Amino acid sequence: NAGVTQTPKFQVLKTGQSMTLQCAQDMNHNSMYWYRQDPGMGLRLIYYSASEGTTDKGEVPNGYNVSRLNKREFSLRLESAAPSQTSVYFCASSESGTSGVAANEQFFGPGTRLTVL
Amino acid sequence: AQSVAQPEDQVNVAEGNPLTVKCTYSVSGNPYLFWYVQYPNRGLQFLLKYITGDNLVKGSYGFEAEFNKSQTSFHLKKPSALVSDSALYFCAVRGYNTDKLIFGTGTRLQVFP
Repeated sequence: NAGVTQTPKFQVLKTGQSMTLQCAQDMNHNSMYWYRQDPGMGLRLIYYSASEGTTDKGEVPNGYNVSRLNKREFSLRLESAAPSQTSVYFCASSESGTSGVAANEQFFGPGTRLTVL
Repeated sequence: AQSVAQPEDQVNVAEGNPLTVKCTYSVSGNPYLFWYVQYPNRGLQFLLKYITGDNLVKGSYGFEAEFNKSQTSFHLKKPSALVSDSALYFCAVRGYNTDKLIFGTGTRLQVFP
């Protein structure tokens, strides 16, 4: 049971290049998330997927696209990387449930450290 | 709109002393509150959550948190700090009808031997 896995761990891009960050979970969770972490700003939600085939914008979606390929996998794509996208990216998953009883915690992957030159 | 505030960027405490990491929140309706810890170069790990019931919530590694509705606070506490508790701590809030979490900016806890 690996939990949430992310690839790659590190990546350096030049401005304008594209790349896809991969995320997979083996906990059979419906909900998956992409965050970015920047110093002094905590974690900010980029995109969210409540179930296979659905995605929703978070707080900072500009410059990113996502694909919920199946229940296990949720990828994040940078079409044309910019230096402002230099950050640490975390994927997370949780049991879904919008009722109070099912306010489930999120499980996080180890992160991808991205530098855009 | 939902928000979380962690007023201290860093908290320093001597090993063996009690520690408190502060968190206040703003949310419509009943709040669902979480604490996470992040060790260097690692992802976030869940510590504890408040959903309903007893205002004192116990979690992993001896941590606990006290929910105070009148002060809209959810402070993290531990009776006796360990050097190994040194890490970055995040408070988060979730509204009633959403899975999305709003995170605070984090508080770095430094425990000195």
